[in-house]
Amino acid sequence: AQSVTQLDSHVSVSEGTPVLLRCNYSSSYSPSLFWYVQHPNKGLQLLLKYTSAATLVKGINGFEAEFKKSETSFHLTKPSAHMSDAAEYFCVVSEVGTYKYIFGTGTRLKVLA
Amino acid sequence: EADIYQTPRYLVIGTGKKITLECSQTMGHDKMYWYQQDPGMELHLIHYSYGVNSTEKGDLSSESTVSRIRTEHFPLTLESARPSHTSQYLCASSEGRVYEQYFGPGTRLTVT
Repeated sequence: AQSVTQLDSHVSVSEGTPVLLRCNYSSSYSPSLFWYVQHPNKGLQLLLKYTSAATLVKGINGFEAEFKKSETSFHLTKPSAHMSDAAEYFCVVSEVGTYKYIFGTGTRLKVLA
Repeated sequence: EADIYQTPRYLVIGTGKKITLECSQTMGHDKMYWYQQDPGMELHLIHYSYGVNSTEKGDLSSESTVSRIRTEHFPLTLESARPSHTSQYLCASSEGRVYEQYFGPGTRLTVT
């Protein structure tokens, strides 16, 4: 069975410092992994996706994530936080050929001035 | 740019009323989904569709129903709204075997 765990429910960083949002997954087969961002009162926007190509995935707005099969992790990083990055972030896992997208519980990122 | 629309964006309605939440996409995607999301919580799948005339219930039990008569349209209906239905409802679509989902802006429903 698939599952995804976001290890931190809240993360606070200062503007200009690095961001690390942690995600571990469990999947029986080759997973596809996604990170989405949700700003208040908005829908979800795709940041990046991993679908068995390069293990280091670059996304929009300077975010990137590295797929580590040995650690079953897919952590999201950004070298320098911006105030506009403050939002809720969701890690999502899916398996090829299924309809299911399993969402993590979300990490709320706060960026301090 | 994803083109998936939801109306209304906000709805306050009394108990017992019938409501329909609209979702439309202009991308020609075959798969569509409805999720329920309480504030600050994860998304729970309540309905999905593989294509026209194909609908299935998701993992979260819901008293709502859906229909898929046209590829682009996937409305969700509550026959008799209750306060427990108060939540945000997000519609999404995708194409292919496993590709990213595109989300609408959501409908925030309050049942009084």
